[in-house]
Amino acid sequence: AQSVTQLDSQVPVFEEAPVELRCNYSSSVSVYLFWYVQYPNQGLQLLLKYLSGSTLVKGINGFEAEFNKSQTSFHLRKPSVHISDTAEYFCAVSGPYGGSQGNLIFGKGTKLSVKP
Amino acid sequence: NAGVMQNPRHLVRRRGQEARLRCSPVKGHSHVYWYRQLPEEGLKFMVYLQKENIIDESGMPKERFSAEFPKEGPSILRIQQVVRGDSAAYFCASSPTDRGPINTEAFFGQGTRLTVV
Repeated sequence: AQSVTQLDSQVPVFEEAPVELRCNYSSSVSVYLFWYVQYPNQGLQLLLKYLSGSTLVKGINGFEAEFNKSQTSFHLRKPSVHISDTAEYFCAVSGPYGGSQGNLIFGKGTKLSVKP
Repeated sequence: NAGVMQNPRHLVRRRGQEARLRCSPVKGHSHVYWYRQLPEEGLKFMVYLQKENIIDESGMPKERFSAEFPKEGPSILRIQQVVRGDSAAYFCASSPTDRGPINTEAFFGQGTRLTVV
């Protein structure tokens, strides 16, 4: 069975500082990995995804993530955060339906709080 | 170019009542997924539907919950005889197809926040 572990439930950081949100997964099959962002009382927006190819994936809003197969990790990074990045971030792995990205297994989320 | 539309955004029901949550997928999308987000939890998959078919309902509670995606109209998630533990945010996602390479993005709606009092 596939699972996702987000190691930090909350990450406070000062504005313009770098940030890393950690995500580890387990899977017995090929994986596709995703990071979503959820702003308060909003739906989920896709930040970036890893399907194949380069292990360094760049997404929207200056975020990037690196797929590390040996460490089964997909950590999200941003070199300099803004107040507007305050949100909850979810790591997800594709479920058994390999042909669609809708059936996803999510981690519990990491709340990023950016302070001035 | 409307995205996934869910309504209502907020729904309050008394214990024992029925809750109906609606999801209109992106125009042209024929695949719908429902997820539930409990407080302090990530999203949990509930059910995957195509038009007029339930493909996977492995995440649905065995009782009181049902879902449909008719040929015409929105997808409906129905919860009968609601209890306080049903209070959660329910999200719908849609994608155009599950054929071909897995590079078809699923789009999420803004969710329906159900409160059972």
